[in-house]
Amino acid sequence: GAVVSQHPSWVICKSGTSVKIECRSLDFQATTMFWYRQFPKQSLMLMATSNEGSKATYEQGVEKDKFLINHASLTLSTLTVTSAHPEDSSFYICSSRIREGTDTQYFGPGTRLTVL
Amino acid sequence: GIQVEQSPPDLILQEGANSTLRCNFSDSVNNLQWFHQNPWGQLINLFYIPSGTKQNGRLSATTVATERYSLLYISSSQTTDSGVYFCAVEGSTGFQKLVFGTGTRLLVSP
Repeated sequence: GAVVSQHPSWVICKSGTSVKIECRSLDFQATTMFWYRQFPKQSLMLMATSNEGSKATYEQGVEKDKFLINHASLTLSTLTVTSAHPEDSSFYICSSRIREGTDTQYFGPGTRLTVL
Repeated sequence: GIQVEQSPPDLILQEGANSTLRCNFSDSVNNLQWFHQNPWGQLINLFYIPSGTKQNGRLSATTVATERYSLLYISSSQTTDSGVYFCAVEGSTGFQKLVFGTGTRLLVSP
């Protein structure tokens, strides 16, 4: 399967700071990437769809000014959590969609964010 | 939007046992995937199966799209099978978005 990496794998920051998470598709070009968040013992919830070269599409209830998404190239999308607060602490996971006869999504290993 | 329910929510097995996990969805789908989330959080692709039956080693999956359900079979379970199993679907008007089910948390004991 396709390989997707995320960096960092975990981050601890102080309340009020901004944190950037990178998502890279390592062995294919991804015109579409997705960002999810997962709270403990819960399912994954889609936050936004990231399209290369255009603005991201955010799900209802997700603040676009708080969660800035940039998809500047076919292999890199970034999520910046601005002015982070403790309630933003979560597991953030990206995925890339690959079209090779099937529209399969492959997921990165996730980034665990803890805001103190 | 489309609703995805999985059952059972929790499952405890003895090593070597077989199990069946179920995923029900509320509308027609273009895409259905099964994932295993390991204890470190990594989602591992198991099957892309919007319809039909597939097998991969001890795992197999069947989706009956007309009846809106999918089943994941695990045979001869091993402790490394522990984790959370998710199905995720893209509705027929889903704009490429996957909606995840509620998950089944599996614990296989030695």
